[in-house]
Amino acid sequence: DAKTTQPTSMDCAEGRAANLPCNHSTISGNEYVYWYRQIHSQGPQYIIHGLKNNETNEMASLIITEDRKSSTLILPHATLRDTAVYYCIVRPLGADYQLIWGAGTKLIIKP
Amino acid sequence: DTGVSQDPRHKITKRGQNVTFRCDPISEHNRLYWYRQTLGQGPEFLTYFQNEAQLEKSRLLSDRFSAERPKGSFSTLEIQRTEQGDSAMYLCASSLRDRTYEQYFGPGTRLTVT
Repeated sequence: DAKTTQPTSMDCAEGRAANLPCNHSTISGNEYVYWYRQIHSQGPQYIIHGLKNNETNEMASLIITEDRKSSTLILPHATLRDTAVYYCIVRPLGADYQLIWGAGTKLIIKP
Repeated sequence: DTGVSQDPRHKITKRGQNVTFRCDPISEHNRLYWYRQTLGQGPEFLTYFQNEAQLEKSRLLSDRFSAERPKGSFSTLEIQRTEQGDSAMYLCASSLRDRTYEQYFGPGTRLTVT
């Protein structure tokens, strides 16, 4: 499984865009990039995933570089409720592959 | 509330005692997962079920751990002869088989072994 590298922590001002980077330089062709977040005292929550094209949903946007070696999760207008640990996970799409979690990035949104 | 529920939310037990946790997944989800999470770390996969069949167990799951999903609905995770190293948050998640990347997590059961 490809390994991911994320910063340990980041700050962002409320109302600004939060850009969370993830490095996955050993990603292989059949591996997707998935993002989850975990708000304090809650279970993780799925956010978004992508293969090579940029993706957007109601929660966030995912930008994957052309060489697929890194990606950025963008929260366009961060609120205090976006304070959480954000996990970047790389795995194949198939049903029997497990999610392998790192330590994630602790994102703190400041008023 | 139709999300994943877990019971109890907190459990304090003495070393050597047995404990059992319950997870009720989202009703139409055929996949159910158990994870363990310690402070400052991401969840660690323990095991998962497809309906009532247990399809994979992590090497982390020692012989003291057993999980069941008897009718393909709720699941239980039992830890026998608990050790202090078992203290952690135990998370349950569920998903559809064709969307296993989109797992819905419960709030977890925090186990403290004294």
